[in-house]
Amino acid sequence: DIQMTQSPSTLSASVGDRVTIICRASQSISRWLAWYQQRPGKAPELLIYDASSLQSGVPSRFSGSGSGTEFTLTISSLQPDDFATYYCQQYTSYSLTFGQGTKLEIK
Amino acid sequence: QVQLVQSGAEVKKPGSSVKVSCKASGGTLSSFAISWVRQAPGQGPEWMGRIIPSLTIGKSAQKFQGRVTITADKSTGTAYMELSSLRSEDTAVYYCARDSTSGTTSPDYYMDVWGKGTTVTVSS
Repeated sequence: DIQMTQSPSTLSASVGDRVTIICRASQSISRWLAWYQQRPGKAPELLIYDASSLQSGVPSRFSGSGSGTEFTLTISSLQPDDFATYYCQQYTSYSLTFGQGTKLEIK
Repeated sequence: QVQLVQSGAEVKKPGSSVKVSCKASGGTLSSFAISWVRQAPGQGPEWMGRIIPSLTIGKSAQKFQGRVTITADKSTGTAYMELSSLRSEDTAVYYCARDSTSGTTSPDYYMDVWGKGTTVTVSS
C-alpha cells in the first residue's frame, strides 16, 4: 500500500494566519490526491480533489498544490470554523490510503 | 442532493459479526459507487472497500479480505457492510461515502458525500 505521511501532526495558529499542511506519498501518485476536513464527532468533508481542484461550496481561502510525492494544503486566512483536523488521501491505487491527520488548533 | 443515511450504533461481542446499512436518498444507488471507511478512536480514516452499481458483491481492501462483505440492494437503494470475527481493534466509527471522480483519466476515486457514521463497539 502507498503510505501517506502528513506534517505537522499538530499546528497551532491564530485567526487570520496563513497556514500550510504537507502530505508526502511513499511513491509517486501524480495528482491523485484529495484533502478532507473533519470536525470532532463529524464525518470528513471533501475540500480539494486532484491535488488542486476546489470542491464546490468550499471557501476560496483553501487551496491545494503539488504533484508526484509532495503536496500542500494552504489556508490563506484562518477563520474560527477552520480549526479542525485535516486528512490527505491518495487514489492512484485500488487500495486507497489516508494520512494520519493534522490537527489545527487555536493558539 | 444525495444524502447517505446509516443505521444506528451497535455493541457486539468479540467473535460475532456486525452489519451496517447505508441508504441513499435524493439519488439512485445504482448510479454511483459506495465506499466504506472506518475510523478508530484517535486514528486516521481507513478504507475498507467498495461496491460498484453493476456488481451485486463489492470488493474489499486486502487487509479485510475474508472478513468483510459489501453488498447492495438496488430495489431499496441500500448498501451494506458486514464485518465478521470481530475483535476489540474493530471498535470504530464506520462510514459509507459516495465515490466520485473528475474524469475518465482518474485511476480511482475520492469521496464527496459521506454518511454521518455508525459507531461499532466490540467489547466482552
